[in-house]
Amino acid sequence: LAKTTQPISMDSYEGQEVNITCSHNNIATNDYITWYQQFPSQGPRFIIQGYKTKVTNEVASLFIPADRKSSTLSLPRVSLSDTAVYYCLVEGGSARQLTFGSGTQLTVLP
Amino acid sequence: DTGVSQNPRHKITKRGQNVTFRCDPISEHNRLYWYRQTLGQGPEFLTYFQNEAQLEKSRLLSDRFSAERPKGSFSTLEIQRTEQGDSAMYLCASTLQRGFSTTGELFFGEGSRLTVL
Repeated sequence: LAKTTQPISMDSYEGQEVNITCSHNNIATNDYITWYQQFPSQGPRFIIQGYKTKVTNEVASLFIPADRKSSTLSLPRVSLSDTAVYYCLVEGGSARQLTFGSGTQLTVLP
Repeated sequence: DTGVSQNPRHKITKRGQNVTFRCDPISEHNRLYWYRQTLGQGPEFLTYFQNEAQLEKSRLLSDRFSAERPKGSFSTLEIQRTEQGDSAMYLCASTLQRGFSTTGELFFGEGSRLTVL
């Protein structure tokens, strides 16, 4: 199972773009990169998933360089409600034991 | 609402008692996961089911823990002879797994919070 490393915490201000980087040096060829968001006392919620280059949806973008040893979750124009813990996961179809790390606590300040 | 439902949401019990949590996944989701989460930590994998078959269990899952998913629908997680260290949020998630591609999006329930006194 590929291990991931993320910053423990980040602060930002409302309206700014936030980039959270995840390192996964041992990522395997079949692995995908997935990000989840979790608010206190709630289950995690899927944000985005990608394999390479760039993926964008209505809430975020995911940038994956060619070597795939890291990935960056980009949240455009954050608001106070984006304050949450963000988890990066790496897994392939054969690795069914989805592993969450400690995540990154993002705090958005007014 | 067709989301993942977990019951009870909160359970307070005395050490040594047995507790059971229930998870109702999104219908037609063939894969179901159980996770445990303590304060300040990410969710820890406990076990998962593909339909009614329990395919993998974490080493965290001691003999006091048992999970079932009869008929591939709802699932139960039972903890026997609870200990204070079992106090945590127990999360259930489901997904529709197709073939051997990535697991894709997991849909989590709100969790069942256990407090062992």
